[in-house]
Amino acid sequence: AQSVTQLDSQVPVFEEAPVELRCNYSSSVSVYLFWYVQYPNQGLQLLLKYLSGSTLVKGINGFEAEFNKSQTSFHLRKPSVHISDTAEYFCAVIGGTGKLIFGQGTTLQVKP
Amino acid sequence: SAVISQKPSRDICQRGTSLTIQCQVDSQVTMMFWYRQQPGQSLTLIATANQGSEATYESGFVIDKFPISRPNLTFSTLTVSNMSPEDSSIYLCSARDRVAGEQFFGPGTRLTVL
Repeated sequence: AQSVTQLDSQVPVFEEAPVELRCNYSSSVSVYLFWYVQYPNQGLQLLLKYLSGSTLVKGINGFEAEFNKSQTSFHLRKPSVHISDTAEYFCAVIGGTGKLIFGQGTTLQVKP
Repeated sequence: SAVISQKPSRDICQRGTSLTIQCQVDSQVTMMFWYRQQPGQSLTLIATANQGSEATYESGFVIDKFPISRPNLTFSTLTVSNMSPEDSSIYLCSARDRVAGEQFFGPGTRLTVL
């Protein structure tokens, strides 16, 4: 079975500081990994995805993530956050079942 | 990419009634799914909508409560039956064309059950 664990439910950070949102997955087969963002009262938006190739993936809004197979991780990073990055972030995985399964979500709270 | 629309966008319903949510994709897609997002929670997969056959439900979800139809490659419906306040959630339609590909989401249907 596949599963996703987001290690932090809330991450408070000051504006212009770097941030890392952690995500670990479990799967017995190759995986495809995604990060989605959900702004308050809005729908889901894809930030970035790892399907194959380079393990460092760049996405929209200055975010990037690195696929680490040995550590079964796919942490999301941004070198300098803005107030507008305040949102809920979801890590998700497609594994052997072919279904997209979500982690519990991490609330990023950017403070001025 | 695929653009997904849902109707209605929101509804307030009485306990014991049923609501059918419609999902339309602007292109033919192989896979369609229905998710639920309870208040303050993550997304939980309800079922995979199979074209021309019965949906495949996840653990904890049953066909009598959440009947699903998918008559063609661009359209699906989810019915929430015999509703209770615990069914108050956002219901999202989703589609993907390949196993290794981006999965698109509709804007969601915000359901409140009184």
